[in-house]
Amino acid sequence: GNSVTQMEGPVTLSEEAFLTINCTYTATGYPSLFWYVQYPGEGLQLLLKATKADDKGSNKGFEATYRKETTSFHLEKGSVQVSDSAVYFCALTATGANSKLTFGKGITLSVRP
Amino acid sequence: GAGVSQSPRYKVAKRGQDVALRCDPISGHVSLFWYQQALGQGPEFLTYFQNEAQLDKSGLPSDRFFAERPEGSVSTLKIQRTQQEDSAVYLCASSWDRRRGGGNIQYFGAGTRLSVL
Repeated sequence: GNSVTQMEGPVTLSEEAFLTINCTYTATGYPSLFWYVQYPGEGLQLLLKATKADDKGSNKGFEATYRKETTSFHLEKGSVQVSDSAVYFCALTATGANSKLTFGKGITLSVRP
Repeated sequence: GAGVSQSPRYKVAKRGQDVALRCDPISGHVSLFWYQQALGQGPEFLTYFQNEAQLDKSGLPSDRFFAERPEGSVSTLKIQRTQQEDSAVYLCASSWDRRRGGGNIQYFGAGTRLSVL
């Protein structure tokens, strides 16, 4: 079946540090890939997405590139801020399916001033 | 409404009680999903509606779980005879696009945190 694997957390960084959160997936066909973010006390929000190989999703300074050869969708940001502190989930929807999302476990990011 | 609304935000139930969780999707959204999120885990799919039709209920963990969306808008997730292992956050999401697969954006509610004592 489909699955998403995220690196173990939590992650603690200083403000302005470089961020990479690894995500790999297993799926048949050509899935769409997503990063969702959950800020403290809030619901899940879409951060960015990519729907085909080599697509790059970007938003709020975050980027992730759909790499089919390595089945990866790593999230990066060049300079994190305290306001980026949240839980980040990598997810996919499989083609031909009903668009249900398959999520990774999530990783907690804490950015200290 | 402006977003997906879920109620109640918190629910405490005694083991064996029945509970009903409500979801108000974004107006006009065709698709509605329910997910279950255990502590420290990612959300897991429970069931999916397209308008009033329940097209996939493969994620419902047992026959104690039942969902409905009779008029294609508001949905209710009902859990009968709750057990401690049902304690989790229950998330509802909606999307407008009825395409199958491929990049549809789901908008999530804040969830209902269910605690079964």
